[in-house]
Amino acid sequence: AQKITQTQPGMFVQEKEAVTLDCTYDTSDPSYGLFWYKQPSSGEMIFLIYQGSYDQQNATEGRYSLNFQKARKSANLVISASQLGDSAMYFCAMREYAPMEYGNKLVFGAGTILRVKS
Amino acid sequence: NAGVTQTPKFQVLKTGQSMTLQCAQDMNHNSMYWYRQDPGMGLRLIYYSASEGTTDKGEVPNGYNVSRLNKREFSLRLESAAPSQTSVYFCASSKDGQYGYTFGSGTRLTVV
Repeated sequence: AQKITQTQPGMFVQEKEAVTLDCTYDTSDPSYGLFWYKQPSSGEMIFLIYQGSYDQQNATEGRYSLNFQKARKSANLVISASQLGDSAMYFCAMREYAPMEYGNKLVFGAGTILRVKS
Repeated sequence: NAGVTQTPKFQVLKTGQSMTLQCAQDMNHNSMYWYRQDPGMGLRLIYYSASEGTTDKGEVPNGYNVSRLNKREFSLRLESAAPSQTSVYFCASSKDGQYGYTFGSGTRLTVV
């Protein structure tokens, strides 16, 4: 069974500083994908970044990077140079690769609320 | 704009009433999903449809039914709403699970 753990219910960060949001996962499947989504107060789910289990390098997308430590089963999101607009809920999610008929379901953690202070 | 469209955006139901949440995608995706979001619990999968003509239970299917009407549309039905079904519901779709998932804007449902 899959499991995603986000141990930080809430975080504060000063504007322009970097922040790390923690995510650990549990799977016995060697092939999986890890996702981070942002959910602002308006409610939509915004895809941020993806890391495949066989990817050799950590994923990066602009100010977002994923610190992937496979042996420790962690996939922390790093946001550099925080902005006020980064204040939101952040979800870590995982999908185990499977034949399409199994639906490739995405499993989510409980989320971390990030507040950026000016 | 291409994407996932959910209707309605807001709904208030009385206990025991029924309703159907509609979801449609225009990206020719094979797989579609219904999630519910509750505080402190993230998003939990209710039902999914791996491809047109198939549906399967997710983590929290009790009290819900689904229909994959065609490749574009995947509806979620509450036959007899209960206060425990007060939640935000998200529909999502994916081509094959490999290149990400697109979410609808959500339906905020309150059962009184």
